[in-house]
Amino acid sequence: GAGVSQSPSNKVTEKGKDVELRCDPISGHTALYWYRQSLGQGLEFLIYFQGNSAPDKSGLPSDRFSAERTGGSVSTLTIQRTQQEDSAVYLCASSLVGGYGYTFGSGTRLTVV
Amino acid sequence: AQTVTQSQPEMSVQEAETVTLSCTYDTSESDYYLFWYKQPPSRQMILVIRQEAYKQQNATENRFSVNFQKAAKSFSLKISDSQLGDAAMYFCASGSSNTGKLIFGQGTTLQVKP
Repeated sequence: GAGVSQSPSNKVTEKGKDVELRCDPISGHTALYWYRQSLGQGLEFLIYFQGNSAPDKSGLPSDRFSAERTGGSVSTLTIQRTQQEDSAVYLCASSLVGGYGYTFGSGTRLTVV
Repeated sequence: AQTVTQSQPEMSVQEAETVTLSCTYDTSESDYYLFWYKQPPSRQMILVIRQEAYKQQNATENRFSVNFQKAAKSFSLKISDSQLGDAAMYFCASGSSNTGKLIFGQGTTLQVKP
């Protein structure tokens, strides 16, 4: 597609439920990144996929968080047993090669009630 | 580990005037890039300007320019002739040219007064 697409744009879920957030990167972009942005804060790195290499999961805050990327394209971020502190905007980005910056999606605002 | 620090949580500028946003960084990478991103209320992150660390010449993009001081690990953004549409949160980021992974600062909220 022309840009990075994220869905849903907004998600309200009950505490304890699982959620899946989807990211569809720009076609041909080999790298895909997930970040979390709490209200009025900076971007916290979560996970990074590059081609067929093992993902860099060093930013995942707990084992309730996981992500996969199928076929080198679409990625899904899953949060199990959601907690109120998981409420944030989850941003996905993709890039062609290192050094050229990212193209970001418009994010998913997750609210855990 | 890489860190990026933006020491100004909020800044304001009069329309048509110039403002400078500060950023310092620390990295162990020998080959890296620096970026400024803009995030308006729509929350869409927009790349403003990019600097290759191996280049001494400061990057410019129309009304946006940077002052890159490699030894001091400083990377400030200057916005000239500020416009109302420049009002947004601005993030400084440092990234590895190898992995492309970016580390972001905490952001500076810029208010533009008419």
